[in-house]
Amino acid sequence: GAGVSQSPSNKVTEKGKDVELRCDPISGHTALYWYRQRLGQGLEFLIYFQGNSAPDKSGLPSDRFSAERTGESVSTLTIQRTQQEDSAVYLCASSPFRQAQETQYFGPGTRLLVL
Amino acid sequence: GNSVTQMEGPVTLSEEAFLTINCTYTATGYPSLFWYVQYPGEGLQLLLKATKADDKGSNKGFEATYRKETTSFHLEKGSVQVSDSAVYFCALKHYGGSQGNLIFGKGTKLSVKP
Repeated sequence: GAGVSQSPSNKVTEKGKDVELRCDPISGHTALYWYRQRLGQGLEFLIYFQGNSAPDKSGLPSDRFSAERTGESVSTLTIQRTQQEDSAVYLCASSPFRQAQETQYFGPGTRLLVL
Repeated sequence: GNSVTQMEGPVTLSEEAFLTINCTYTATGYPSLFWYVQYPGEGLQLLLKATKADDKGSNKGFEATYRKETTSFHLEKGSVQVSDSAVYFCALKHYGGSQGNLIFGKGTKLSVKP
């Protein structure tokens, strides 16, 4: 079946502009995660959604970052007033349940470059 | 807090050499442990996992054993191939509370030369 898809695959923007990144999880997956991978570093957790529960926003680095998800479908990650340090690959993942043993399936990522 | 530490790369090996990538973790309770791999130009994908102490995860000739006594989950392969060249990430995951996300190490880049 179809995997996790993300769009756009690449985004170049100017400092101070807002950007919106999209994630389509695997159908039926209730949990959805956003991560950030900056150059030469590991993945940093940003936010996750589980069904209709309130999202866990504990990983968001600042109030310029926000995300939404409607039910168990598409999610959008919005970065307002982008800064150069926001340049990174933004990865989305989904899993069937938020239990420890469930594997997360990752999308190909959106590579964001802030000039 | 929870954390994962893995050996820094890059690691360069000749084909058919033995591979070990060390990974240790700090966590409360009993996390599940994972190795993810990122091949050049591709997305992150699960390589193997173990959900409880003494479990051994294995896939594509790679193995890792969940050692609670040493809080380790070292990745091994007896004979690497050029196609194994990739970045390998060790990760842990808890269930419950705000710890449903994966916590990753910084990644180890492996280059295998023919």
